[in-house]
Amino acid sequence: EDQVTQSPEALRLQEGESSSLNCSYTVSGLRGLFWYRQDPGKGPEFLFTLYSAGEEKEKERLKATLTKKESFLHITAPKPEDSATYLCAILLTSGTYKYIFGTGTRLKVLA
Amino acid sequence: NAGVTQTPKFQVLKTGQSMTLQCAQDMNHEYMSWYRQDPGMGLRLIHYSVGAGITDQGEVPNGYNVSRSTTEDFPLRLLSAAPSQTSVYFCASSTPYGYTFGSGTRLTVV
Repeated sequence: EDQVTQSPEALRLQEGESSSLNCSYTVSGLRGLFWYRQDPGKGPEFLFTLYSAGEEKEKERLKATLTKKESFLHITAPKPEDSATYLCAILLTSGTYKYIFGTGTRLKVLA
Repeated sequence: NAGVTQTPKFQVLKTGQSMTLQCAQDMNHEYMSWYRQDPGMGLRLIHYSVGAGITDQGEVPNGYNVSRSTTEDFPLRLLSAAPSQTSVYFCASSTPYGYTFGSGTRLTVV
């Protein structure tokens, strides 16, 4: 069964304290892995797409990496404005645009 | 540069009432979908469409109907609202490179 699991469910960091969020997956065929940021009361906002193992993408304090079984979202020296829920989603090769979402990691960065 | 527009933002319904959640996109995307988001369960796909005139069921379709008469619009109809349909609903349009989500509709069924 195709599955996406995110950990931890929640994470509290002090400002400047770097950490990583994990997205592990078991799928029949991976077409792409996506990271989204969701602020309270808003829809998810696209961050990154990764397509193959070894690929890395960066944006400001965020860096996403991909292996054959998991992806990490590294947050370097986070700021309070990085507080949000981070969602991981996979796009399967089978079917048309079939995405599976993880349940997210709620990140809180304290000043 | 509107992207995906959802209306209304908030709605309270009584059990048994019907209503339509509206969704419109201006990016000319073929693929559109409806998700519901519940605490601890993540985003679950209700219905999706790969183009005008074509719709299909997702993971949790019961109690919902959709139609796609144009590329731009993808309304979601609740046929007879139940308390279990209390949730936040997101419409999205996408390409293989990712989704663009609307801002959501918070629905409460009492």
